Amino acid sequence: DAKTTQPNSMESNEEEPVHLPCNHSTISGTDYIHWYRQLPSQGPEYVIHGLTSNVNNRMASLAIAEDRKSSTLILHRATLRDAAVYYCILRDGATNKLIFGTGTLLAVQP
Amino acid sequence: NAGVMQNPRHLVRRRGQEARLRCSPMKGHSHVYWYRQLPEEGLKFMVYLQKENIIDESGMPKERFSAEFPKEGPSILRIQQVVRGDSAAYFCASSPRTGGWNTEAFFGQGTRLTVV
Repeated sequence: DAKTTQPNSMESNEEEPVHLPCNHSTISGTDYIHWYRQLPSQGPEYVIHGLTSNVNNRMASLAIAEDRKSSTLILHRATLRDAAVYYCILRDGATNKLIFGTGTLLAVQP
Repeated sequence: NAGVMQNPRHLVRRRGQEARLRCSPMKGHSHVYWYRQLPEEGLKFMVYLQKENIIDESGMPKERFSAEFPKEGPSILRIQQVVRGDSAAYFCASSPRTGGWNTEAFFGQGTRLTVV
């Protein structure tokens, strides 16, 4: 299973942008990059995913490096409700399963 | 369209009893995944099922654990003769039939199993 590396924790201030990095140097050509987040005592929640091009949706933006060995999840204006563990995942095209790493614990200060 | 439904939300079992966890995927979804999350740890993949088939059970403990996803009804994760180390949150996720890894997975709120 392809692995991802993320910082254990990050801090942000409310209303400011947040850039959450992820390294995935062993990514294969058919792996999609997925981001999920998990709020305390809840199930994981889908945030965004992409293959090669940058992606935007109502929750966030995903910037993917040209060589695809890294990506960055961008929350444009952090709110207190964005405090969660953010997981960067390579979805295996062969097995279809999501393999979670340890994620980044994002703290948002008022 | 209701989300992924898991029940019960909380389950308490004595050591040696059986635990049955249920997961109803989203309407139209035929792929189901089970994950386990121990306290203060990340989610660990357990098993991936499609209707009436186990596709990948590489994360399932070899003994006491089994899973099924029948043609009709919810997916069931069954733990026999529970031990204290089985205490964890168990999450189920579902995905649509088509699209595979280019689709998002939707997670339920989990079942928190406590073994006393």
